Amino acid sequence: DAGVIQSPRHEVTEMGQEVTLRCKPISGHNSLFWYRQTMMRGLELLIYFNNNVPIDDSGMPEDRFSAKMPNASFSTLKIQPSEPRDSAVYFCASSLNRARNSPLHFGNGTRLTVT
Amino acid sequence: GDSVTQMEGPVTLSEEAFLTINCTYTATGYPSLFWYVQYPGEGLQLLLKATKADDKGSNKGFEATYRKETTSFHLEKGSVQVSDSAVYFCALPLQGGSEKLVFGKGMKLTVNP
Repeated sequence: DAGVIQSPRHEVTEMGQEVTLRCKPISGHNSLFWYRQTMMRGLELLIYFNNNVPIDDSGMPEDRFSAKMPNASFSTLKIQPSEPRDSAVYFCASSLNRARNSPLHFGNGTRLTVT
Repeated sequence: GDSVTQMEGPVTLSEEAFLTINCTYTATGYPSLFWYVQYPGEGLQLLLKATKADDKGSNKGFEATYRKETTSFHLEKGSVQVSDSAVYFCALPLQGGSEKLVFGKGMKLTVNP
């Protein structure tokens, strides 16, 4: 099992540019989560999907952020336009929600730096 | 709303020292409780969990007991190793059975040889 795969590992971009982060969940998992981690705010849940459908996007900071899950094996988080305050580590996680209290499996994250 | 409060550190210990990381929670009902660990450069991974009051979760020498009376889930290890250097997060699901996990701020532990 390859685990949750995120790409890229690092992204450096200039303010105003579009950024797309990618995630491949563990095969067979039907829930997918996007988290953001910063020193100031810790881990924040941005959005999560169940069976490819967005269930709760209340954590998405503003309209510049959008997420999609076109199929069970792929999700993207897009920031357009990016701003320096978006600099953070973005994690994708998946779980098998049929098993109550099933653990989240995290990818290794994408470290985003917006200059 | 449901939340967890944990020690934030950072904490530095010598190898073989005793470790306690405090975690208290506020929740409706009696949710499952979790400890996750994040090693340098990696994502979080589940360390242990407890699903009901008085349950003890354990893994890799770490233990935590679900205490309903004190609303706590403190993490302990009797003898830490250099390889335990990581950030530790306490977590619980929002609204009891929700898949949404809310995490504490995390506590960075450094263990020196």
